[in-house]
Amino acid sequence: DGGITQSPKYLFRKEGQNVTLSCEQNLNHDAMYWYRQDPGQGLRLIYYSQIVNDFQKGDIAEGYSVSREKKESFPLTVTSAQKNPTAFYLCASSIVQGSYGYTFGSGTRLTVV
Amino acid sequence: SQQGEEDPQALSIQEGENATMNCSYKTSINNLQWYRQNSGRGLVHLILIRSNEREKHSGRLRVTLDTSKKSSSLLITASRAADTASYFCATDAIIAQKLVFGQGTRLTINP
Repeated sequence: DGGITQSPKYLFRKEGQNVTLSCEQNLNHDAMYWYRQDPGQGLRLIYYSQIVNDFQKGDIAEGYSVSREKKESFPLTVTSAQKNPTAFYLCASSIVQGSYGYTFGSGTRLTVV
Repeated sequence: SQQGEEDPQALSIQEGENATMNCSYKTSINNLQWYRQNSGRGLVHLILIRSNEREKHSGRLRVTLDTSKKSSSLLITASRAADTASYFCATDAIIAQKLVFGQGTRLTINP
């Protein structure tokens, strides 16, 4: 079955550490997205990519980095520069041309310890 | 940048009743989409309505779109306990290349 997989489901980060969240899709979607969700809040866009080797900053990119070396993969690194990283991170993918909905992964909950 | 604003923020109704959630937005759109999120899970796409459509149905869901008022509503008929979730509207703005999500409506269906 096609889908989008995020791992790990739970992640704990120590102060000053960089951590990388994985996002893989086998839907053959061109576009991929990372969103951050805080408790009781909506989704805020961190980064997005519409083609391989290209990506754009979203509304809250500071303290985060991404890469898009393969169509299937869009990992997100939360760097030590992100001062408040505890949140629920959601990855999504979509077809670029035309009007289609996004397919979301099941999320990674990151906690700073 | 918050494009969609949902109203109400929380809604609690009895099983079998209808639930209505509203979404307002600011800029011209290509389409508007509704998603459901169960607690601690990813979002699930429910329905998409294009800017030239006024109403769309999918099972127990009915979505309306009024582009003159920049607003949309999601109606869930004959609600069930399994409909308990947060519901988000998302706008695909003409000038943007990505969806912008609202804050969501938390719906609770009481048995």
